[in-house]
Amino acid sequence: RKEVEQDPGPFNVPEGATVAFNCTYSNSASQSFFWYRQDCRKEPKLLMSVYSSGNEDGRFTAQLNRASQYISLLIRDSKLSDSATYLCVVRAGGSYIPTFGRGTSLIVHP
Amino acid sequence: DVKVTQSSRYLVKRTGEKVFLECVQDMDHENMFWYRQDPGLGLRLIYFSYDVKMKEKGDIPEGYSVSREKKERFSLILESASTNQTSMYLCASSLSQTNTEAFFGQGTRLTVV
Repeated sequence: RKEVEQDPGPFNVPEGATVAFNCTYSNSASQSFFWYRQDCRKEPKLLMSVYSSGNEDGRFTAQLNRASQYISLLIRDSKLSDSATYLCVVRAGGSYIPTFGRGTSLIVHP
Repeated sequence: DVKVTQSSRYLVKRTGEKVFLECVQDMDHENMFWYRQDPGLGLRLIYFSYDVKMKEKGDIPEGYSVSREKKERFSLILESASTNQTSMYLCASSLSQTNTEAFFGQGTRLTVV
């Protein structure tokens, strides 16, 4: 089983829609969680960290469920510019290494 | 802003050549990483370094080596390039073991012919 799993999509949604992605992780000792965004032919960039209490940044909400070992990303009022690949990233306690999921592709259409 | 700079955006090399990919970060980060990214496979870790002259193998180190002689610079070396090493190579750095937000360079698209 891969350490970090994501549905590759693509998720194809109209502008204004709400869309949610989940990401599951296998290592129960995981301590740090992030969502990254990667535009086509560009490098990944941090979108937001995911905290135990959940966190929100504008239209984006991230949640962590330790019991079920998954994190989620909710995007409200989708914009065309949200079209990208969203990468889930997990780091185990005591490790230097962030482990990346394969990414979920989002396409927002007019 | 953290800046991670890779020496080339695009490279074309011949099979059997020795290839050097250079990465420099300007924020005194302890950790540096080399990944390759291929369609459908995501980011796969080749090597990482948590200190000068220290290196650890990642998931796919075969055919690669690395060098970290200075804190700011992490080099990836393809000893004898092969066509299956055609890929996007991404360098990243992070501050420390407890602050692990990774910052990426712009990537090097390497084609081996």
